[in-house]
Amino acid sequence: SYELTQPSSVSVSPGQTARITCSGDVLAKKYARWFQQKPGQAPVLVIYKDSERPSGIPERFSGSSSGTTVTLTISGAQVEDEADYYCYSAADNNEGVFGGGTKLTVL
Amino acid sequence: QVQLVQSGAEVKKPGASVKVSCKASGYTFTSYYMHWVRQAPGQGLEWMGIINPSGGSTSYAQKFQGRVTMTRDTSTSTVYMELSSLRSEDTAVYYCALDGMDVWGQGTTVTVSS
Repeated sequence: SYELTQPSSVSVSPGQTARITCSGDVLAKKYARWFQQKPGQAPVLVIYKDSERPSGIPERFSGSSSGTTVTLTISGAQVEDEADYYCYSAADNNEGVFGGGTKLTVL
Repeated sequence: QVQLVQSGAEVKKPGASVKVSCKASGYTFTSYYMHWVRQAPGQGLEWMGIINPSGGSTSYAQKFQGRVTMTRDTSTSTVYMELSSLRSEDTAVYYCALDGMDVWGQGTTVTVSS
């Protein structure tokens, strides 16, 4: 098995840029996805293939990759972006893993 | 539209098994893999495994090997996740999610309590 490591929390003021990192050896070879989860709701995909944004996701959400680290960037974070964020990736045998999650506070 | 509808909440005793269903609609069922993910109260997301509805092949997280079984019924476009030898730590919300994880079921709460 393998691991993905995220910071437990990130805090920004409204309008600032929030960056959430995710590190793991598998990320050097495999794409990552990012999910947003608000309390009591199912996760929502916000980034796939490291940097692609699904339709309906605001442009302020972007992703990047460098070596064994991927980064989710929220440019001009808004109060409604306050949520838990999880990275995810999968190995060649389809075995997937989530990062531990990052609580984003916007206030 | 693409939709995944899961079965209702379950309460089980330790040692029992639970089988959660996920009925798919709005797309060709056998064209996309299905993931199972769980989330214990106050905890993060945990990947459990994946099934190919076309041939039924599966891949499970090491943690659940020997305790989880994922199956599918192509006649009803439904995938199932059965977890056996339940313990209190298996209390969680269980989700099915389509291949790209852009569509999720509503979640099924499983409570394990004596």
